[in-house]
Amino acid sequence: AQSVAQPEDQVNVAEGNPLTVKCTYSVSGNPYLFWYVQYPNRGLQFLLKYITGDNLVKGSYGFEAEFNKSQTSFHLKKPSALVSDSALYFCAVRDGWSGGYQKVTFGTGTKLQVIP
Amino acid sequence: GAVVSQHPSWVICKSGTSVKIECRSLDFQATTMFWYRQFPKQSLMLMATSNEGSKATYEQGVEKDKFLINHASLTLSTLTVTSAHPEDSSFYICSARAEGLDPSEQYFGPGTRLTVT
Repeated sequence: AQSVAQPEDQVNVAEGNPLTVKCTYSVSGNPYLFWYVQYPNRGLQFLLKYITGDNLVKGSYGFEAEFNKSQTSFHLKKPSALVSDSALYFCAVRDGWSGGYQKVTFGTGTKLQVIP
Repeated sequence: GAVVSQHPSWVICKSGTSVKIECRSLDFQATTMFWYRQFPKQSLMLMATSNEGSKATYEQGVEKDKFLINHASLTLSTLTVTSAHPEDSSFYICSARAEGLDPSEQYFGPGTRLTVT
């Protein structure tokens, strides 16, 4: 089975500073990776995905992620953090099939706290 | 964008009773819906996949008779937790997919917090 790991339960960053939320993956074959964000009392929202191509993927709300095959990582980044970026972030990987559709396996989540 | 709602947002029930959670796609037809369970500080665990008009596909380890899933229409799927026990207390999240195979087209509901006393 494919899996992703998020080594940090929480990341704190000052507003205006760059942020990184870490994710490493373990897959057989080519990885198909995602980042989602979950705001309080709201559903998960898709941020970006990597399939093939450029290692730097740009997504919603100014976020980007860097795919690194040698380090099996897919870290989420943003050049300048906003207080409104404070949320729970999930890394995910495509992982097999269920009911005829592709499943997604999620990491444990990293809480991002942006300090004013 | 596509909106998925869940009702109720939170529910408290007594041990031994059953509780039904609704998942609705508000502005699109959801041919497939997914039900997840999320524990504190843990990732979302896929429980089952339901396709409109057919039986749900349950993940290994998920009790079919305990977690009844019905996807009767293209906009509504329900999860019924039967004979609930305190260990069933959790955050249940649904997601819906309209068409295509790209997981990024999966739209998530806000979740339902279930507490069994």
